[in-house]
Amino acid sequence: KQEVTQIPAALSVPEGENLVLNCSFTDSAIYNLQWFRQDPGKGLTSLLLIQSSQREQTSGRLNASLDKSSGRSTLYIAASQPGDSATYLCAVRRTGGYQKVTFGTGTKLQVIP
Amino acid sequence: EPEVTQTPSHQVTQMGQEVILRCVPISNHLYFYWYRQILGQKVEFLVSFYNNEISEKSEIFDDQFSVERPDGSNFTLKIRSTKLEDSAMYFCASRIFQGVEAGYTFGSGTRLTVV
Repeated sequence: KQEVTQIPAALSVPEGENLVLNCSFTDSAIYNLQWFRQDPGKGLTSLLLIQSSQREQTSGRLNASLDKSSGRSTLYIAASQPGDSATYLCAVRRTGGYQKVTFGTGTKLQVIP
Repeated sequence: EPEVTQTPSHQVTQMGQEVILRCVPISNHLYFYWYRQILGQKVEFLVSFYNNEISEKSEIFDDQFSVERPDGSNFTLKIRSTKLEDSAMYFCASRIFQGVEAGYTFGSGTRLTVV
């Protein structure tokens, strides 16, 4: 059974700092990994999608990497801003079947002005 | 950008009542899902739906739950007799396979409160 863990559970940084969020998964037989952002009481906004054959994806100030063999992904946020404050979730999709995803525990990020 | 639309955004219901949560997936998507998130907990998979039938469901998705795509555009989740523990945020999602996986698009959720 796939288990997805995110460390740290919460993070508070001053504005402008670069930061890294971590996602670990136990079963490396994945199809892809998707990073989401969740604002309090709101839905899930997709940030980046990495296919199992890829090593990284970039979108603006965000860069996500994937190391399938070690069961890890990182989300790098450059030059953090107060608007980046949210909970960040990684979701791993397994191979085969109809591809439900398994969500991580989330990292709650606060960027202090 | 196309969106997954969910209604209502918040529903309060009495224990034992039936509720129907509604979703309009993105029009050319083929795979549909319901997930839920109990306050303070992980987002959990409930059910996936493809080609007008359930393709996979979790142990949470028992006989109290059902899904339907009644008219080719709406996708509904029905809870027959709500319990207090059904209180959660329910998310609908859809995706399309275009040769390359495009990932999930989630709706903004329906917060269900059972009293």
